[in-house]
Amino acid sequence: DAGVTQSPTHLIKTRGQQVTLRCSPKSGHDTVSWYQQALGQGPQFIFQYYEEEERQRGNFPDRFSGHQFPNYSSELNVNALLLGDSALYLCASSLANSYEQYFGPGTRLTVT
Amino acid sequence: GNSVTQMEGPVTLSEEAFLTINCTYTATGYPSLFWYVQYPGEGLQLLLKATKADDKGSNKGFEATYRKETTSFHLEKGSVQVSDSAVYFCALSDVQGAQKLVFGQGTRLTINP
Repeated sequence: DAGVTQSPTHLIKTRGQQVTLRCSPKSGHDTVSWYQQALGQGPQFIFQYYEEEERQRGNFPDRFSGHQFPNYSSELNVNALLLGDSALYLCASSLANSYEQYFGPGTRLTVT
Repeated sequence: GNSVTQMEGPVTLSEEAFLTINCTYTATGYPSLFWYVQYPGEGLQLLLKATKADDKGSNKGFEATYRKETTSFHLEKGSVQVSDSAVYFCALSDVQGAQKLVFGQGTRLTINP
């Protein structure tokens, strides 16, 4: 049974560019959450998707957007990249009414 | 808003030592509480959880008890191993639903042989 998978593993972008990160949830899970983890910090909640809609959002600007597909996979898009967007981006999946979230290995984004 | 505070690291212990990592929280209502572990270069793994007051979560020799009166969820292990070296995160879930997790800043643990 495959767990949560994310792609790509690493990414280097330039300020002002746009980036798309991808996540496939654990088999049977229908809810996907995204977190940003800056170096040496705990993860910060970006947003959560359920039934292809954004269900809750953290304190992140509109430059951060997402999408969930009918197969429950998800994308995180970040526009107009800033140096401060450099971080590990984690995807977590769960069942809709469960508190247990399963995390993927993350995508390391470096903005230069 | 909800928040989690962990003891600052790094923490360095010898193998077979007793481990305590303190965690306290601020939340409205009664959130579920979690400990996650992050090994180098990997994502987070759920270590243990507790969903109501006085519950004890346990896994792989680690334990933590949900203490409502002290708003704490301290992580303990009686005898640590080198393989326990990792970063440990305390977290709570938003009681308003949608399962948003609020994390502490993490505590880096190093176990020396």
